[in-house]
Amino acid sequence: EPEVTQTPSHQVTQMGQEVILRCVPISNHLYFYWYRQILGQKVEFLVSFYNNEISEKSEIFDDQFSVERPDGSNFTLKIRSTKLEDSAMYFCASSEAPRVGQYFGPGTRLLVL
Amino acid sequence: KNEVEQSPQNLTAQEGEFITINCSYSVGISALHWLQQHPGGGIVSLFMLSSGKKKHGRLIATINIQEKHSSLHITASHPRDSAVYICAVSQVTSGSRLTFGEGTQLTVNP
Repeated sequence: EPEVTQTPSHQVTQMGQEVILRCVPISNHLYFYWYRQILGQKVEFLVSFYNNEISEKSEIFDDQFSVERPDGSNFTLKIRSTKLEDSAMYFCASSEAPRVGQYFGPGTRLLVL
Repeated sequence: KNEVEQSPQNLTAQEGEFITINCSYSVGISALHWLQQHPGGGIVSLFMLSSGKKKHGRLIATINIQEKHSSLHITASHPRDSAVYICAVSQVTSGSRLTFGEGTQLTVNP
């Protein structure tokens, strides 16, 4: 069964460093998403992406964040200068169309020290 | 007030029991999703509903659009059902993003 994959599974970084989280969505999907879950809290939407541009973003997704689809398979989330409060599990998801079921990746656990 | 509220927050059951998890929402939705989060953190989509009822194996999800309420039922519960169950909605006003509830931690004891 096709699945969304994410790398790395865990990342530890120093405050102020840049991190890039990578996702490979399901191959025929066209809509891509990033969500995050701070430990002990609910999952929160960050950004959705379609047709090589951001279609929607939350108030969390400020200028420190960016997304890119650099080739036909990868979908990346970059955090330019990490803060302690960016420590969370980051989930990538993809879907064939809007407003249909989204398939989630296993997540990247980011720890900022 | 959260847009999506789940109850209970925690639920402990004995193997074989019938389980119900509830979700209420306060916004207009195009669909409601039930998701399962495993202890390791991974999220699996169980159901997407816009009306009525869906069944998959021992899992049943129902939605009442007028009452803005959904339930997830597990029949003949098993320890492997232990996980966090999350209700999420696609809002009419906000594209395809999902808005999540806090989740219900289910523990099924043998």
